[in-house]
Amino acid sequence: DSGVTQTPKHLITATGQRVTLRCSPRSGDLSVYWYQQSLDQGLQFLIQYYNGEERAKGNILERFSAQQFPDLHSELNLSSLELGDSALYFCASRQGGGYTFGSGTRLTVV
Amino acid sequence: AQTVTQSQPEMSVQEAETVTLSCTYDTSENNYYLFWYKQPPSRQMILVIRQEAYKQQNATENRFSVNFQKAAKSFSLKISDSQLGDTAMYFCAFMKHVGGANNLFFGTGTRLTVIP
Repeated sequence: DSGVTQTPKHLITATGQRVTLRCSPRSGDLSVYWYQQSLDQGLQFLIQYYNGEERAKGNILERFSAQQFPDLHSELNLSSLELGDSALYFCASRQGGGYTFGSGTRLTVV
Repeated sequence: AQTVTQSQPEMSVQEAETVTLSCTYDTSENNYYLFWYKQPPSRQMILVIRQEAYKQQNATENRFSVNFQKAAKSFSLKISDSQLGDTAMYFCAFMKHVGGANNLFFGTGTRLTVIP
């Protein structure tokens, strides 16, 4: 157990639908990073939050949004889903120079 | 522009042998971190080793060590005495300062297979 918790582990949904992925960072970590990993690809950075504020944006589509709540958990909202959104979605938290990843949410859009 | 380049999509090694995975990166910064992550079939991202750029000494973690060549912007991973459990995707990653925040950028990965 890395200390970064992601739920759900698996999600299957239809095109056009909306889903919410949840992440709780390690205790004491203020930052949350979201990454997308499509099949057999590297991880692509989506967005970062630090202590409730958006810090940086990567290749995040306009159909996607995220927020970080006062208790520091974060949610990634994916809407108007397309087949190409099927991927593993990871979150990570950081303390100092180290990043710790959750076990990911596997999203399948059918 | 690609920040991190892994030029070996796939590699294999005989059990108990040594293998080196290559990684190059691009930056104009002087202080940064470099990482190797392992992703086994379970898909969990596991930190293998980390190197701070200001440290001249190469990082070592048990059977894993790096060859960090700062001037050449090279960061290779050496796995000694390879074990079957080392079979995984290996990602090189670079922590970069972007837009007021530090962020982690990944290479495309090297799929390593350890052959019994």
